[in-house]
Amino acid sequence: NAGVMQNPRHLVRRRGQEARLRCSPMKGHSHVYWYRQLPEEGLKFMVYLQKENIIDESGMPKERFSAEFPKEGPSILRIQQVVRGDSAAYFCASSPRVRGLSYEQYFGPGTRLTVT
Amino acid sequence: QQQVKQSPQSLIVQKGGISIINCAYENTAFDYFPWYQQFPGKGPALLIAIRPDVSEKKEGRFTISFNKSAKQFSLHIMDSQPGDSATYFCAASIGAGGTSYGKLTFGQGTILTVHP
Repeated sequence: NAGVMQNPRHLVRRRGQEARLRCSPMKGHSHVYWYRQLPEEGLKFMVYLQKENIIDESGMPKERFSAEFPKEGPSILRIQQVVRGDSAAYFCASSPRVRGLSYEQYFGPGTRLTVT
Repeated sequence: QQQVKQSPQSLIVQKGGISIINCAYENTAFDYFPWYQQFPGKGPALLIAIRPDVSEKKEGRFTISFNKSAKQFSLHIMDSQPGDSATYFCAASIGAGGTSYGKLTFGQGTILTVHP
């Protein structure tokens, strides 16, 4: 059973460009969370999605950031017009979560975004 | 109220010793407390987790101690090995009801170094 897959593993963008980060959850998992890890800091929640639905985007900046999890294909985190402060490691985690319980979240290897 | 405070920031232990990392939380609605291990350049890996209805959980050399009244929990690594050298994160989440949807709130991380 393959783990959570993320690509690309490393992404370099110039200021003003768009970054698209992809996440394929573990087989059988329909819940995806995105987290951001700034250098020397812990992980911060960004957004929680189920198939075709954004459930909680309270941790995501209001501008330039968007996320989706279509019926078919991976979850996408999109950052438009990137700035240097967006440089970070972005992790997605998937969960087999059942309603009402906190289930394990399994993390992917991350995408390390560098904005030059 | 959503904060999780982790200490120490860094820890140096001799091979064979016991590593102890502590976390404290404020929000009594948290109902799931996992620990993650992260190696440089990798994603966090779930180590062990506990729910507040038990005071201790042991898996191999790793033990979580949970003190509900003090709102504290800790990770003990017995017989620490150089291969345990990594960054450890505690986390907490709320699963049942509300609008937290199981998203994880992380501590700041502890860099563990085990000397041979």
